[in-house]
Amino acid sequence: AQSVTQLGSHVSVSEGALVLLRCNYSSSVPPYLFWYVQYPNQGLQLLLKYTSAATLVKGINGFEAEFKKSETSFHLTKPSAHMSDAAEYFCAVSDQTGANNLFFGTGTRLTVIP
Amino acid sequence: KAGVTQTPRYLIKTRGQQVTLSCSPISGHRSVSWYQQTPGQGLQFLFEYFSETQRNKGNFPGRFSGRQFSNSRSEMNVSTLELGDSALYLCASSDLQGAYGYTFGSGTRLTVV
Repeated sequence: AQSVTQLGSHVSVSEGALVLLRCNYSSSVPPYLFWYVQYPNQGLQLLLKYTSAATLVKGINGFEAEFKKSETSFHLTKPSAHMSDAAEYFCAVSDQTGANNLFFGTGTRLTVIP
Repeated sequence: KAGVTQTPRYLIKTRGQQVTLSCSPISGHRSVSWYQQTPGQGLQFLFEYFSETQRNKGNFPGRFSGRQFSNSRSEMNVSTLELGDSALYLCASSDLQGAYGYTFGSGTRLTVV
C-alpha cells in the first residue's frame, strides 16, 4: 500500500530564506512521487515529479526535490522564498503497477513573511 | 490548448438532493479521474475512467458514481446528499495511462445545507 506523510502542517519562512517542505513515503513497489501546489480556490498545479530517472528533480518556479530511497523521503526545497510562494503544498505517491490514482499527504501551508 | 474545465464552479444543494458535476478534459486526454478534498479527510481518490470504462475506484459509498462519454467528458453524480459531502471536487485528465500525466481542473465547490 502507498502512503505519504508530510511533516508540519504549517511552515513559515522569511522572504528570501530557504524553503524546506518535508515528505516521507511508504510504498511496496518503486514509487512515482509528486509535489503539487494549490492556491486559494484553485485546483492543483504540478510542481515536479519523480519517475525513477534522476534522483534530483527540478520543477517550476525554482523548486526542486531529491528522492532518497534509503530515507524514503522526497523533500521539496527552494533556495529563496518569494511572496508568491505562499500556498498549500501537497506531496503525493503513485505506484508503477498501473494503478491510476494518487495518494496525497495532508498538505503543508507555506506562509512567507515579508 | 484549453485546460481541464469543471462546471459549475460553485454549487449549493440541500441535504437529500442529488447533484451532477461535469468535467471536460484536455483535448486528446482519455483518462479522467475524480478526487474529493475536505478539510478533515484531505484529498481522496474517487474513481478513474479511461475510454468510457471505470478502471479504478476509491473507498466511497455507492451514492458516488460517475461515467465517461465517448468524447472523454466525464460526469460524477452524488445521490442523497449528506452534509459531509460538502467539499471541493477536483477532476484530473491525463494523456497517459496513470497519474504520471495528470492535469487538474479548478474544481467544483459543493456546499450541502
